[in-house]
Amino acid sequence: SYVLTQPPSVSVAPGQTARITCGGNNIGSKSVHWYQQKPGQAPVLVVYDDSDRPSGIPERFSGSNSGNTATLTISRVEAGDEADYYCQVWDSSSDRVFGGGTKLTVL
Amino acid sequence: EVQLVESGGGLVQPGRSLRLSCTASGFTFGDYAMSWVRQAPGKGLEWVGFIRSKAYGGTTEYAASVKGRFTISRDDSKSIAYLQMNSLKTEDTAVYYCTRDIETTDAFDYWGQGTLVTVSS
Repeated sequence: SYVLTQPPSVSVAPGQTARITCGGNNIGSKSVHWYQQKPGQAPVLVVYDDSDRPSGIPERFSGSNSGNTATLTISRVEAGDEADYYCQVWDSSSDRVFGGGTKLTVL
Repeated sequence: EVQLVESGGGLVQPGRSLRLSCTASGFTFGDYAMSWVRQAPGKGLEWVGFIRSKAYGGTTEYAASVKGRFTISRDDSKSIAYLQMNSLKTEDTAVYYCTRDIETTDAFDYWGQGTLVTVSS
């Protein structure tokens, strides 16, 4: 089965840039999607197909994907960005797969 | 406005069955594939399975952890997706989310609020 690896936590000061990684074997050949989940709420799609944003998602959220690592970048981080973030791909052996999630803390 | 509302969760004993429903509104339900994703208490997200639209055969796919025990179906006339869960195990305890699949890719663009299923004796 295909495994996606995310750091358990990332911390960043307000106004700085947060980068959350998602590692997987040759993940650069796959389309990566990212979700934001705040406590007690359902996840929200923030980036799909590596770098596209759904309508209503701020431009501060961007994504990239190459080699064995995909990255979600959040620029000018705000207190309201504090949440868990999950990456997700489709793989022929596992179908849809999620990473373990990363807790973003805004200091 | 797209809305997905899950229902049917609750407390159930191991080995028993439960059926969840996902009532959709705000879009042409029959045009979209629908998925179920679950989240055990304090844990991450786990894809459960999905059902394609009738245009793509209405077929289903499941995660290995639920294959043979869970069945997804849909009633396009009522805009409802179902998750039939049989032979439930304690490890099936989770919040179950209904999601809409983006047409052109395998991401989930809308999620319901979730319904809690607790499997315990």
